[in-house]
Amino acid sequence: EVKLVESGGGLLKPGGSLKLSCVASGFTFSNYWMHWVRQAPGKGLEWIGEIEYDGTETNYAPSIKDRFTISRDNAKNTLYLQMSSVRSEDTATYFCTKGFAYWGQGTLVTVSS
Amino acid sequence: DVVLTQTPPTLSATIGQSVSISCRSSQSLLHSNGNTYLNWLLQRPGQPPQLLIYLVSRLESGVPNRFSGSGSGTDFTLKISGVEAEDLGVYYCVQSTHAPFTFGSGTKLEIK
Repeated sequence: EVKLVESGGGLLKPGGSLKLSCVASGFTFSNYWMHWVRQAPGKGLEWIGEIEYDGTETNYAPSIKDRFTISRDNAKNTLYLQMSSVRSEDTATYFCTKGFAYWGQGTLVTVSS
Repeated sequence: DVVLTQTPPTLSATIGQSVSISCRSSQSLLHSNGNTYLNWLLQRPGQPPQLLIYLVSRLESGVPNRFSGSGSGTDFTLKISGVEAEDLGVYYCVQSTHAPFTFGSGTKLEIK
């Protein structure tokens, strides 16, 4: 059974940093591109970015480019999202997803002073 | 960036009624490899999204066959043939042909 479990969310101040994790199980993690998607409270879905199988290629949405970094550790079956210079508009639930077919439950990040 | 325009924003349906949702893209979603990467998702209240349809018309495993997808190029449609109570939620189209990938704004299905 494919399982994705996000963690690391919380409350932080504008300009701060946070690192989210997504632990994967039930499939060969190193064979798949992985994605992060976020959803602001009461709003729609927004694609954040993706990372290639071995981490050599990443693509990002313009709204977070140069502030967020996606990485992975295939030995630990873990996907990461390093968030920096956060803004109030980054407040959202952050989901990791395998090809939009499998999703975690999400982790809530709140940016507030 | 590709803009996906979903209509209608809300739908109210009775049990058994058939409904359709439109997703129009600002540019063709036909990839150079011949595939069209247009998916449909359902997000039930309080839940993460669930994949219903991928590659325009392919039904994800375990999804009831009352759901169907069609379209090509820039115009796509999700049809529910006989709405059931469990179908309530927000439906999203999402394209992964052109980076950055983008979602439609969603269609909320309410059950009368």
